[in-house]
Amino acid sequence: AQTVTQSQPEMSVQEAETVTLSCTYDTSENNYYLFWYKQPPSRQMILVIRQEAYKQQNATENRFSVNFQKAAKSFSLKISDSQLGDTAMYFCAFMKLYNAGNMLTFGGGTRLMVKP
Amino acid sequence: GAVVSQHPSWVICKSGTSVKIECRSLDFQATTMFWYRQFPKQSLMLMATSNEGSKATYEQGVEKDKFLINHASLTLSTLTVTSAHPEDSSFYICSARDLLRGGYTFGSGTRLTVV
Repeated sequence: AQTVTQSQPEMSVQEAETVTLSCTYDTSENNYYLFWYKQPPSRQMILVIRQEAYKQQNATENRFSVNFQKAAKSFSLKISDSQLGDTAMYFCAFMKLYNAGNMLTFGGGTRLMVKP
Repeated sequence: GAVVSQHPSWVICKSGTSVKIECRSLDFQATTMFWYRQFPKQSLMLMATSNEGSKATYEQGVEKDKFLINHASLTLSTLTVTSAHPEDSSFYICSARDLLRGGYTFGSGTRLTVV
C-alpha cells in the first residue's frame, strides 16, 4: 500500500514571498503520478500541479513548481510570489499508473496562511 | 475543463432519516467515481469506488449497508446515507477521472449535519 506524508501541518508566508511545502511518499511502484491539490475555504478541491514519475523534468504551472526527487520519494511544492488567494489547505496525492479505477492516496494536508 | 456537479451543497436531516447525495459529470463520461469523507481539518478519506453498472467497492471499515452507492449511468453516481446518525455528520466529496488534465475532478462537496 502507498502512504503519503506531509510533515508540516501549518505554514505561513508573507505576501509576495516564496514558500515550500514538503511531501514524502512510500511505494514499491515504479510508474505513478503525483499531485498537489488546493482546498480553499470553499472546500472545493482544485488541482494545482501534476508530475508523472517517468519524467525527470520538474513540473511547473505559473507560480507553482515542484521538486520531484524520485529516489528520495520526495515531492515538494514551491509557491513563488505568494498571494492572499493562495491561503488554503494543500494536499499531496499519489496515484498508481494512470487507470480509471486507480484511486488517489492523500497526505494529511498542510494549512497555508498567506499574510498581507 | 471537466466539471463534476455535486448536490446538495449542504443538508440538515433528522436522526433516522436517509439522505441522498448526487454527483454528475457534466461534460464527460465518468466510468469510475470516488466518494470521500472529510472531517474538519483532516484529509480526505476514501469511502468507496463506484463503477458504472456494477457494485461499488468499499474501503475497509465503511458500512456498505449504511452508505449505499449507485452508479447507474456514465454521468451520475449517488451516495445515500441510510438511517443517519449524528456521527455521520461530515463533509462528503465525490471525484471522477479528468481526462483533460490527467487527474481527478472533484465535486464541490456536501456538508451533512444530522440532528
